[in-house]
Amino acid sequence: GAVVSQHPSWVICKSGTSVKIECRSLDFQATTMFWYRQFPKQSLMLMATSNEGSKATYEQGVEKDKFLINHASLTLSTLTVTSAHPEDSSFYICSARDPQITGVVTGELFFGEGSRLTVL
Amino acid sequence: AQSVTQPDIHITVSEGASLELRCNYSYGATPYLFWYVQSPGQGLQLLLKYFSGDTLVQGIKGFEAEFKRSQSSFNLRKPSVHWSDAAEYFCAVGPYTGTASKLTFGTGTRLQVTL
Repeated sequence: GAVVSQHPSWVICKSGTSVKIECRSLDFQATTMFWYRQFPKQSLMLMATSNEGSKATYEQGVEKDKFLINHASLTLSTLTVTSAHPEDSSFYICSARDPQITGVVTGELFFGEGSRLTVL
Repeated sequence: AQSVTQPDIHITVSEGASLELRCNYSYGATPYLFWYVQSPGQGLQLLLKYFSGDTLVQGIKGFEAEFKRSQSSFNLRKPSVHWSDAAEYFCAVGPYTGTASKLTFGTGTRLQVTL
């Protein structure tokens, strides 16, 4: 089945630094990936849609200069949290669809393992 | 606008007991419905999905869900819960096709299993 992998799974950084989280589709090519943020005991909040070779589409209220998304290849999207602050501490999850399934791009999403960011 | 409601924030059941997690959705077209499970500190794993056909859908780990259009519901069930089923469960709705199509998730139901 389709596998999505995130790295790192856990990162701790100092306030003011930038952190990069990688999301890779291991056995398929993903023209679109999604980045979510999840607060403790809450649901997933869609932050942005990452598009290969073009700019990401951000959801309302998400600071695009704060959360930089780059989708440079069909198997890699990165989320960079710039000038991180303690309120950016959260669980970040990426997901993608596998266009090879039955030749139709179905709605099913495959998720990475998530990356927990702690900003001190 | 599409939306998903999971009315139960937290459910506790005894191991071996049956389970039903509720999900109600609002969607303007034919919905594509999902149930995902999330273990602590992990991403989401697909349990089952429904788009068309038989309204009773079988998934992994012994789970099933029934689509009821008249009630706009897609409740998840399991006849006998195992301690390893303790996790967070999310219902989601979205369109059937399109790489850029978004899924809308419910707020989740946390399942606790007592021995």
